Amino acid sequence: GAVVSQHPSRVICKSGTSVKIECRSLDFQATTMFWYRQFPKQSLMLMATSNEGSKATYEQGVEKDKFLINHASLTLSTLTVTSAHPEDSSFYICSASPWGQQTFGAGSRLTVL
Amino acid sequence: AQKITQTQPGMFVQEKEAVTLDCTYDTSDQSYGLFWYKQPSSGEMIFLIYQGSYDEQNATEGRYSLNFQKARKSANLVISASQLGDSAMYFCAMREVYSGGGADGLTFGKGTHLIIQP
Repeated sequence: GAVVSQHPSRVICKSGTSVKIECRSLDFQATTMFWYRQFPKQSLMLMATSNEGSKATYEQGVEKDKFLINHASLTLSTLTVTSAHPEDSSFYICSASPWGQQTFGAGSRLTVL
Repeated sequence: AQKITQTQPGMFVQEKEAVTLDCTYDTSDQSYGLFWYKQPSSGEMIFLIYQGSYDEQNATEGRYSLNFQKARKSANLVISASQLGDSAMYFCAMREVYSGGGADGLTFGKGTHLIIQP
């Protein structure tokens, strides 16, 4: 079956630093990947659509300069949280859709001190 | 715009009983897909079942079935013979489906916290 790998699973950083999260499709090519954010005890909210070889599409209210997305290959998308602050602490999870269903990575829990 | 409503924040169910998790949706799209995911405390999103808007038969996957009532815009998940391991958050989600095979990201409901009691 389709596998999406996400790394790191947990990251703790100081306020003001940047953090990069990787999302890889291991056994299929993904021209499109999706990034979601989930605050504690809340639902997943779509942040942006990552498109291979072109700019990402951001949902309303998501800061493009804050959450940089790069999709340089058919198997890798990265999300960089720039100048992270405590309010950016959240669970970030990516997904890709090889066919019909969306397969999710295991998620990355970001804690900003 | 799409909207998913899950009206049950939490449910307690006895082991081995069947359970129905409610989901209603709102969309102006003609072609769409409905999904159910399970999220245990570890955080991973586990795909359970999918129903396409043009599928005439309700989807089934093992102990999971989706009660799709298009006119009512509901897509309830039914879990038969519940097990202790079914305790988790359950999310209903949807997305528009394009004829060319492309798709948008998912819109999720707020989820239902299901607890199976022995």
